[in-house]
Amino acid sequence: LAKTTQPISMDSYEGQEVNITCSHNNIATNDYITWYQQFPSQGPRFIIQGYKTKVTNEVASLFIPADRKSSTLSLPRVSLSDTAVYYCLVGVRFSGGYNKLIFGAGTRLAVHP
Amino acid sequence: GAVVSQHPSWVICKSGTSVKIECRSLDFQATTMFWYRQFPKQSLMLMATSNEGSKATYEQGVEKDKFLINHASLTLSTLTVTSAHPEDSSFYICSARDQTPGRGTSTDTQYFGPGTRLTVL
Repeated sequence: LAKTTQPISMDSYEGQEVNITCSHNNIATNDYITWYQQFPSQGPRFIIQGYKTKVTNEVASLFIPADRKSSTLSLPRVSLSDTAVYYCLVGVRFSGGYNKLIFGAGTRLAVHP
Repeated sequence: GAVVSQHPSWVICKSGTSVKIECRSLDFQATTMFWYRQFPKQSLMLMATSNEGSKATYEQGVEKDKFLINHASLTLSTLTVTSAHPEDSSFYICSARDQTPGRGTSTDTQYFGPGTRLTVL
């Protein structure tokens, strides 16, 4: 399973756009990139998943360059409620098997007034 | 998205007792579920993979006789912490993949439960 590297922490202010970059140099051909958000004493919440180029949903955007060795989670106009830990995970998706997710340290995002 | 529930949300027990935690997929079938443990200020650590109708697969360093896993149906997995001790106090979280027939496997997304806080006195 590909190892991921993210900044340990980030600070931002309300209304700003936040970009969190994750490195996964050893990503394999079949690996998807998934981001989760976790608040204290809660289970992680799925944010977005992608394979290549750009993916956007109602919550965030995910940018993946052509070499797929990194990815960037973009949170538009953050609010105080976006203060959380964000995890970037890379795992294999294959039929008949399962995607064993190994969590790294994550990025602690603090949004200030 | 798919919903995963856990029960109880928190439990306090005496040292030496056993505690059972349930993980349910509410609106989808899950032949595979996962159990994680998380200590304060740390990341999630995968403990084991729970497979419906078969034995669980444990990660290295996790005692299978200490953490009993049963996955008797397509929507329920249980984790029993046997003879719990204070060092077992932690936040236990389960996750599941939506493997309902006909829905396809387009994303293979894992959905997490809300977690169970175990405190062993």
